[in-house]
Amino acid sequence: GQQVMQIPQYQHVQEGEDFTTYCNSSTTLSNIQWYKQRPGGHPVFLIQLVKSGEVKKQKRLTFQFGEAKKNSSLHITATQTTDVGTYFCAGPWAGGTSYGKLTFGQGTILTVHP
Amino acid sequence: DTAVSQTPKYLVTQMGNDKSIKCEQNLGHDTMYWYKQDSKKFLKIMFSYNNKELIINETVPNRFSPKSPDKAHLNLHINSLELGDSAVYFCASSRLTDTQYFGPGTRLTVL
Repeated sequence: GQQVMQIPQYQHVQEGEDFTTYCNSSTTLSNIQWYKQRPGGHPVFLIQLVKSGEVKKQKRLTFQFGEAKKNSSLHITATQTTDVGTYFCAGPWAGGTSYGKLTFGQGTILTVHP
Repeated sequence: DTAVSQTPKYLVTQMGNDKSIKCEQNLGHDTMYWYKQDSKKFLKIMFSYNNKELIINETVPNRFSPKSPDKAHLNLHINSLELGDSAVYFCASSRLTDTQYFGPGTRLTVL
C-alpha cells in the first residue's frame, strides 16, 4: 500500500538554527500538503504544492515538491520558539478514487531551545 | 466563529463503557473525517463521510460506529471501550479533495 515516510521523527534545535524535514512517498503524488500541529493543538493546514519542482515560501518557511512528485521538504530558516510543534506532510491516497483521503507522514516533532 | 467543533474536549471513562464524541462544522463542506492520533503523534484516518454517505471505512474494530445525521455533523460512537482506545480523536472536514480543517480534538482516556 501507499506509504508516506517522513524524517527525522524528532529534531531539537537552538533558536536561530535552521530546520528541515523530509517527506518521501512510495507513489507519485498529485499534490502534497503540509500541516503544523502545536503542542496540545490540532493540525493546521500550511500549504499545498501541486506542480513538479514547485517551491513556495511563507516568510521563513520554504516548501519544495520534487521533480518526480514523490518527495517534498519543509525548511525553516532561523527557527523561533513559535515554530515548536509537529510538522506533517500528507498526500492524496493513490489507491483509486481518493474521496479526499490523505495519507499522513509520521510527522517531525520540532523542539526549539531558547 | 468556530469552524470545526468537537465535544467533549476530554473524556475519561472506564473500560467496557460506551461513549460518543460529536463533531460539527460550519464551513459548508461536504466531506467529514474521523482520525485517531496515538501517543507517538501518528495520524490515522478511521472514517470519512461525503454528503452523509460513508465513503472511507478503514480497518477499525466494529466497536467504532460513525453516524452522520446531516452534512454538518459526524458523530463517533464507541462501544465496550478498551485501554488501547486511549488516544486523541480528531474530526476534520473538507470540500471533497481539498485541504482539511481539523477540530480541536477529543482526548479519550480509558482506565
